[in-house]
Amino acid sequence: DAKTTQPPSMDCAEGRAANLPCNHSTISGNEYVYWYRQIHSQGPQYIIHGLKNNETNEMASLIITEDRKSSTLILPHATLRDTAVYYCIVTGNQFYFGTGTSLTVIP
Amino acid sequence: NAGVTQTPKFRVLKTGQSMTLLCAQDMNHEYMYWYRQDPGMGLRLIHYSVGEGTTAKGEVPDGYNVSRLKKQNFLLGLESAAPSQTSVYFCASRGTSGSSGELFFGEGSRLTVL
Repeated sequence: DAKTTQPPSMDCAEGRAANLPCNHSTISGNEYVYWYRQIHSQGPQYIIHGLKNNETNEMASLIITEDRKSSTLILPHATLRDTAVYYCIVTGNQFYFGTGTSLTVIP
Repeated sequence: NAGVTQTPKFRVLKTGQSMTLLCAQDMNHEYMYWYRQDPGMGLRLIHYSVGEGTTAKGEVPDGYNVSRLKKQNFLLGLESAAPSQTSVYFCASRGTSGSSGELFFGEGSRLTVL
């Protein structure tokens, strides 16, 4: 499975959009991009996933570049409850989580 | 619908003891996974299974064994526990490829090896 690179930490003001980047330059054609988040010591929570096209759901939007070598997760209006570690995963079957980005939403 | 259930949720072992963690899912999922998470770190994949009777190694398989004799259960075994295996263990499952790909997680099992 392809490796991903994420910044270790980010801050975002409450109510503003949070844009979390992920690099996956070795992604192969049949690998999906998934995003999960983990709040405290709970099990990770699924956010969104995509293959080539941009995706949107009730939680977030996923923007994938045309060459698929990077993506951005967008939380449109961050709240304090969005403070968590966010993981970008590129995978077929294995689901390697990596170290993620610790997002802190500031009041 | 219980989802993914892990047993036990807490366990304290002495070095050299053995134990088995049980993961059970009631969603008829094909894929099941075992992860460990050490303090301040991300989840690391130990072993996974793509169907009943199959298992495969993940990133950190040494010191662990797994079995998937029944589709709904995925067992993680520690034959001779070591302090380095003190961690929180998460089990997850998901449907076949072509589904949403969403991993459903259990609540975690906290293991301490003295």
